[in-house]
Amino acid sequence: DAGVIQSPRHEVTEMGQEVTLRCKPISGHDYLFWYRQTMMRGLELLIYFNNNVPIDDSGMPEDRFSAKMPNASFSTLKIQPSEPRDSAVYFCASSLTSGGETQYFGPGTRLLVL
Amino acid sequence: ILNVEQSPQSLHVQEGDSTNFTCSFPSSNFYALHWYRWETAKSPEALFVMTLNGDEKKKGRISATLNTKEGYSYLYIKGSQPEDSATYLCALDNYGQNFVFGPGTRLSVLP
Repeated sequence: DAGVIQSPRHEVTEMGQEVTLRCKPISGHDYLFWYRQTMMRGLELLIYFNNNVPIDDSGMPEDRFSAKMPNASFSTLKIQPSEPRDSAVYFCASSLTSGGETQYFGPGTRLLVL
Repeated sequence: ILNVEQSPQSLHVQEGDSTNFTCSFPSSNFYALHWYRWETAKSPEALFVMTLNGDEKKKGRISATLNTKEGYSYLYIKGSQPEDSATYLCALDNYGQNFVFGPGTRLSVLP
């Protein structure tokens, strides 16, 4: 398996623009997680899905952020409109189940909002 | 909100030294504890998953112990090498309710 795949790897955009980050989990994994990594806050869980259903989105910073998982092999994290403070590395991870299962991380998307 | 703490925040050791660092967590919210190794410009990679009090896991020169009653885990590196330089993260797994990462310990091994 190719592991968790994220695209794009780098994104530079201007404030106010819509940004869409994409993730393909490892085949057969039931759980998908979106994280944001910043210098100030470290690695924060934004939202996670179980069998394509959002379970906990309490980490999503505000209404400008939304995430979807239309099928078992694809998820998106959207920021609309983007702001400079959204600049961070966004990681997607997947795991077979929850509770004691290792999460496998994608390479991350480095987002810069000017 | 669960609070997972790690100490020290950063650590510099000489090649060949052994070292250890700590992850502490609220013991009442425990299901599993994960250790990850995170190299700069890469993504976190799993080292260990620990679930049992008194558990000890080992992978090469790296080992970890777990005390769920008092809420801490130690990670040990024996004979540190420059390639061990990374940030070591622990994460508290509260059985599908949440997965909370600590701030990490940044290890630098000087040749």
